[in-house]
Amino acid sequence: DAGVIQSPRHEVTEMGQEVTLRCKPISGHNSLFWYRQTMMRGLELLIYFNNNVPIDDSGMPEDRFSAKMPNASFSTLKIQPSEPRDSAVYFCASSFRQSRDEQYFGPGTRLTVT
Amino acid sequence: QKEVEQNSGPLSVPEGAIASLNCTYSDRGSQSFFWYRQYSGKSPELIMSIYSNGDKEDGRFTAQLNKASQYVSLLIRDSQPSDSATYLCAVNMRDTGRRALTFGSGTRLQVQP
Repeated sequence: DAGVIQSPRHEVTEMGQEVTLRCKPISGHNSLFWYRQTMMRGLELLIYFNNNVPIDDSGMPEDRFSAKMPNASFSTLKIQPSEPRDSAVYFCASSFRQSRDEQYFGPGTRLTVT
Repeated sequence: QKEVEQNSGPLSVPEGAIASLNCTYSDRGSQSFFWYRQYSGKSPELIMSIYSNGDKEDGRFTAQLNKASQYVSLLIRDSQPSDSATYLCAVNMRDTGRRALTFGSGTRLQVQP
């Protein structure tokens, strides 16, 4: 079975540009999570969806960040405008409710904003 | 106070030894506990989950949970150099009513050949 798929794997952009990260969860999973990982702050939850509905976006750092999940097999995380402090690895993870919260991570997108 | 605490390490053990990784958490109502392994430059990989007090064994890995003391540990028997990685403890903090996990900052394990 395919795992969580993320694209792009690497993104380098200039400050002020819009960045869109994409995620395809594991088929059949009904919860999707976006995380950000940095050396300083570790792994932080940004937002999560249950059955395509955003449940908790309290981790979204500011209005420059937005996330959508238009259907069960696709989600996007958008940063507009991007800033150098947004440089991090962004992970998407998915889980199936009956699996008692076990989350499976995608390979991540390494974002560098110059 | 951090919600999920781990010693950052590095924890250095010789090949063949037992590595013991510990984690404490603040929410007494937490129900789900996980250990993830993360190699440098890679994504976290789920290696163990535990939900009830006691021990759970899977191959060379044993997870131990003590809800009264609010700690969970991971033992790695017969440690191998390939076990060298950062180990992340994750807890479902039920008091928030969320299904999301709260991660510790991770313990870096080094297994010396």
